[in-house]
Amino acid sequence: GENVEQHPSTLSVQEGDSAVIKCTYSDSASNYFPWYKQELGKRPQLIIDIRSNVGEKKDQRIAVTLNKTAKHFSLHITETQPEDSAVYFCAAGGTSYGKLTFGQGTILTVHP
Amino acid sequence: GAVVSQHPSWVICKSGTSVKIECRSLDFQATTMFWYRQFPKQSLMLMATSNEGSKATYEQGVEKDKFLINHASLTLSTLTVTSAHPEDSSFYICSVGLDNNEQFFGPGTRLTVL
Repeated sequence: GENVEQHPSTLSVQEGDSAVIKCTYSDSASNYFPWYKQELGKRPQLIIDIRSNVGEKKDQRIAVTLNKTAKHFSLHITETQPEDSAVYFCAAGGTSYGKLTFGQGTILTVHP
Repeated sequence: GAVVSQHPSWVICKSGTSVKIECRSLDFQATTMFWYRQFPKQSLMLMATSNEGSKATYEQGVEKDKFLINHASLTLSTLTVTSAHPEDSSFYICSVGLDNNEQFFGPGTRLTVL
């Protein structure tokens, strides 16, 4: 089955800096790669996703890049704000009835 | 996206009792729903895929006789934790799966077994 590795496990940045979170996946058939933001005790919220026919996607301060050959994808957050502080999860899937396999999560802390 | 609700939001029960958690898709007819379990400071672990009108598909290591899933309509899936024990205490989250592989999550249910 699919295996997703996510790094780093924790990330601390100053407000205004950029943050990058990286994930690798094992199943070359995976074609859908979402990113979720989860605040403490809350549900995961989809913030951006990318499909295998696209190399990069951007939505305001958030961007995701995908390298299918290397089987890795990354989340980029620019001009970070304290409200960006949360746990971020990457996931991979799109092959088996819509199942997603999640990475281990990254705790992002943005210091004012 | 899809709007998903869960009930209850939290529940405390005694060891050996059963607990039912409901997951509702409020604005989308969900053929497929997913059930996850999330322990503190850990990732989401898929427990099973709930298919409307058919048996759920369980992930390896998840006991189907302990975690009963029923998806009798396009808007409701239920997860029953039978004979709950303290090690079953966790955050249970459902999601609705769309045809384009997107998933939208419910608010979760915090289960504490004493």
